[in-house]
Amino acid sequence: SAVISQKPSRDICQRGTSLTIQCQVDSQVTMMFWYRQQPGQSLTLIATANQGSEATYESGFVIDKFPISRPNLTFSTLTVSNLSPEDSSIYLCSVEPTGHPYEQYFGPGTRLTVT
Amino acid sequence: GDSVTQMEGPVTLSEEAFLTINCTYTATGYPSLFWYVQYPGEGLQLLLKATKADDKGSNKGFEATYRKETTSFHLEKGSVQVSDSAVYFCALSRYSSASKIIFGSGTRLSIRP
Repeated sequence: SAVISQKPSRDICQRGTSLTIQCQVDSQVTMMFWYRQQPGQSLTLIATANQGSEATYESGFVIDKFPISRPNLTFSTLTVSNLSPEDSSIYLCSVEPTGHPYEQYFGPGTRLTVT
Repeated sequence: GDSVTQMEGPVTLSEEAFLTINCTYTATGYPSLFWYVQYPGEGLQLLLKATKADDKGSNKGFEATYRKETTSFHLEKGSVQVSDSAVYFCALSRYSSASKIIFGSGTRLSIRP
């Protein structure tokens, strides 16, 4: 399995600002994903982070609000822009290790609180 | 579309009790099925998986069998411990150009000493 780290682990931000979350993997992976877990809820896929091209967003998520970068096969960032209290959630990145289709491994998550 | 339905929590049991958390799915074709666990304050960990009908996934004393005839993947453990207290998510995945996992709503499990 891959070892995944995220920074920051938590943050408190004011509305109208932005937060950038980093995801680092200890090995090269083709597929990286970003999820949101709202309080007491399950996980919802935000987008697939594609290396060398624009991210693929799920219905209800747009690039202007959630810009994603994927400069190489071990790193990605998710920015949550123009924050509102409704953005308070845990944001998780996950990877599908090369050679292990169907499986995903998750980072520890970033807990965001918007005041 | 694909979906996963799991029993609502919270579930509270005494230590050493038998655990069942029900999970059923709707999907075309032959999805892979998973149970993930989220301990307090942590991210998700893959607990077990099954990739075809009649497969049994097992890990840490937990088991689940892929039942295509009933479209189910119930999680069981014969004797739970306080350390099993967590939120458990049933999930499915169908491989495509962008692999996606569909999660159930999660079941919170609390074990009393």
